[in-house]
This record gives sequence, structure tokens and C-alpha cells, in this order.
Amino acid sequence: AQSVTQPDIHITVSEGASLELRCNYSYGATPYLFWYVQSPGQGLQLLLKYFSGDTLVQGIKGFEAEFKRSQSSFNLRKPSVHWSDAAEYFCAVGADSGYSTLTFGKGTMLLVSP
Amino acid sequence: NAGVTQTPKFRILKIGQSMTLQCAQDMNHNYMYWYRQDPGMGLKLIYYSVGAGITDKGEVPNGYNVSRSTTEDFPLRLELAAPSQTSVYFCASGQGYNEQFFGPGTRLTVL
Repeated sequence: AQSVTQPDIHITVSEGASLELRCNYSYGATPYLFWYVQSPGQGLQLLLKYFSGDTLVQGIKGFEAEFKRSQSSFNLRKPSVHWSDAAEYFCAVGADSGYSTLTFGKGTMLLVSP
Repeated sequence: NAGVTQTPKFRILKIGQSMTLQCAQDMNHNYMYWYRQDPGMGLKLIYYSVGAGITDKGEVPNGYNVSRSTTEDFPLRLELAAPSQTSVYFCASGQGYNEQFFGPGTRLTVL
């Protein structure tokens, strides 16, 4: 069965600084990988996804992520963080099971300091 | 398109009461899902459906039931509410390749 690890429970970044959120997955085949963002009291919004092809994927709100098969990682990055980016971020992996289910990590809470 | 809608937004139940969480989507998606979210635990899949009349258990199905009579609706039923079911519940829908679109959630407290 697949699994996702987000090693950082909380991260604090200064506004304007760069950001990297870590995600490691466990899955035997080529995974479908996702990053979602959840603002307080809201549902989850899809930031970006990787299915195949170019290992660097661009998403909304200036985010990008890089798939590294050798490291089983799919880290999320942003060159300059804005205060509005403060939220919880979830990495998820999808299995090629035909049912399109997702396995989520436990999330990383991003705090942005002025 | 309204996307995925959920009602109610908040609910307080007493132990042993029952209720149905409603979920509807207007994107004509075949796949629908129910998750629960507990602090620090991420999202856990309760039940999912791959089409009208077809449902299956996820990771944490105990204490819940679902039905899928139409493509649009996927209600989640709690028969005998327990404090362990205090959580935030999210419904999602999708059309393959694991991409899912989420509703705003229902915050349930069982006292």
C-alpha cells in the first residue's frame, strides 16, 4: 500500500523568503502526486499535480514541485512567500487502482512572519 | 458550477443520535469520496463510490454508511453517534487520474 510522509509539522518562513515543503512517498509504480492547500476553515484546493513527463510541474499561486524518483520525493517550492500563503499544505499520492483514491500525508502548517 | 457542496456546515450531536451529512456535485463526476480530518492526522478515507449504485469501504468505515442513488449525490450516514466521530468531514469528487475536488466541509461535534 502507498504512503506519504511530510516530515515537517510546522514551518515558519519570513515574508519574501523562499519556501520548500518536503514530501516523501512510498509506492511501487509511477505515482500520481498532488499538493493541496487548506486555508483555515476551508476545504482543500489543488495546487498542482504530477502524472508523467516533465518532473518539474508548475501550479497555481506561483508554486512549483519537483518529482525525484530516486529520492521518492515531491517537494513543493515557492521563491517568495506572501502572508496569504499561510495555510496547511497536504501532499497526496494516488494509486493506479482504477478507483482514483488518494493517500494523504499528515500536513505541514506554514506560518509566515512579517 | 457550484462544484461540491456540503450541508450542514456545523452540527452538534448527542451520543447515540443519528444524522446524514449531505454532499452533492454538479460536475458530472463518476467518483465521489468521504474523508474525515482530525488534527495532525491528515485526511482518512471513509467510503468512496465509482458510480451510481456502487460504493466501497475506505480506511476508516466503521460507524458510517453511504449510498449513491444518483451521480450527483453521495450522503454519509452516522447511525449511533460516538465522541470518536467528532471531526471535520469532507466530501470530494473526481473523474479519474486521482484528481479530486473538495467541498467546504462539515464540522461535527458529538457530546
